[in-house]
Amino acid sequence: AQKVTQAQTEISVVEKEDVTLDCVYETRDTTYYLFWYKQPPSGELVFLIRRNSFDEQNEISGRYSWNFQKSTSSFNFTITASQVVDSAVYFCALSGGYGNKLVFGAGTILRVKS
Amino acid sequence: DGGITQSPKYLFRKEGQNVTLSCEQNLNHDAMYWYRQDPGQGLRLIYYSQIVNDFQKGDIAEGYSVSREKKESFPLTVTSAQKNPTAFYLCASSSGQGPWNKFGQGTRLTVV
Repeated sequence: AQKVTQAQTEISVVEKEDVTLDCVYETRDTTYYLFWYKQPPSGELVFLIRRNSFDEQNEISGRYSWNFQKSTSSFNFTITASQVVDSAVYFCALSGGYGNKLVFGAGTILRVKS
Repeated sequence: DGGITQSPKYLFRKEGQNVTLSCEQNLNHDAMYWYRQDPGQGLRLIYYSQIVNDFQKGDIAEGYSVSREKKESFPLTVTSAQKNPTAFYLCASSSGQGPWNKFGQGTRLTVV
């Protein structure tokens, strides 16, 4: 069975601080995909990144970066110099096999204070 | 712009009533999904459909029903058998070419 664990329920930081959101996953599939989504107060899930299991290169997109480590089954997300607009719920998700169904973690609430 | 439209945004239902949530996409995606979100539990899969006239149960299908008569549409009915229907419902779609999920804006259902 597939499982995603986001151990941090809620994180509060002050603007300009760096913050890392942890994600640990479990799967028996050899081919799988990992995702991060952002959910602002409006409710819609905003896609941030997709990473397949064969690509362990870290990725940076502006203030966002992702660290994928198969050895520890982790896919952590770092926001550098956080801003108030980063306040949202962040979900890590896993998809594997046929059907593209997503298995989500419980989410991490990020609060960035000015 | 292509996207997914969920309606209504807010829905109130009396206990014992069935209610249908709409989900329409113009992305020409083959697969569509319904997820339920409860506080602190992330999103859980209710039903999904990979082609027209075919659908499968997800992890929490009890008390729900769906249909897929058209590629663009995947309505979800919350029946009176669903014991705790108050939740936020999200519809998603993906292309058969890869695991890409596009989400709608969600419907917040409240039982009164």
